Amino acid sequence: KQEVTQIPAALSVPEGENLVLNCSFTDSAIYNLQWFRQDPGKGLTSLLLIQSSQREQTSGRLNASLDKSSGRSTLYIAASQPGDSATYLCAVINNAGNMLTFGGGTRLMVKP
Amino acid sequence: GAVVSQHPSWVICKSGTSVKIECRSLDFQATTMFWYRQFPKQSLMLMATSNEGSKATYEQGVEKDKFLINHASLTLSTLTVTSAHPEDSSFYICSAGTSGRETQYFGPGTRLLVL
Repeated sequence: KQEVTQIPAALSVPEGENLVLNCSFTDSAIYNLQWFRQDPGKGLTSLLLIQSSQREQTSGRLNASLDKSSGRSTLYIAASQPGDSATYLCAVINNAGNMLTFGGGTRLMVKP
Repeated sequence: GAVVSQHPSWVICKSGTSVKIECRSLDFQATTMFWYRQFPKQSLMLMATSNEGSKATYEQGVEKDKFLINHASLTLSTLTVTSAHPEDSSFYICSAGTSGRETQYFGPGTRLLVL
């Protein structure tokens, strides 16, 4: 059974810092991996989707990498801003199936 | 495009009553819809997967008679929490996708509080 772990569970940084969020998964036979953002009491916003054949995806200040063989992905946020404060979730879809398995999330606080 | 709505966004009900939550894909046809449950400060847990016109597939530990799911059309799925109890209080989120493993689009969630 696929298990997804995110480290750290919570992170507080001053504005302007570059930061890295980590995600690991136990079964490397994935179809794709997604990073989501969730604001308190809200639904999910998809940030980046990496197909299993890809190594990274970039969108603005966000860069996500994928090392499928080692079961790891990182989300890099450059020049963090208070508006980046949210919970970041990673999720994978396995080759066998169509359901997303979510990590526990990283709660990010960017202080002005 | 690819907007998913949920209704209601907030519901408070008495213990023992039933609550229906709707999930709609507004601008695309969703052959598959997923229902998740999220407790405070925890991640999303998949409850069930529903395909249009067929019975939902429930995850282990989810009572199908407690959480009734209907996916009657390609744009609407409903989750009914029957005989709700305080422990059913949670944030319920749906997502919708087209066939296969295409991107899932998430609704804004419904917060249920059972008194």
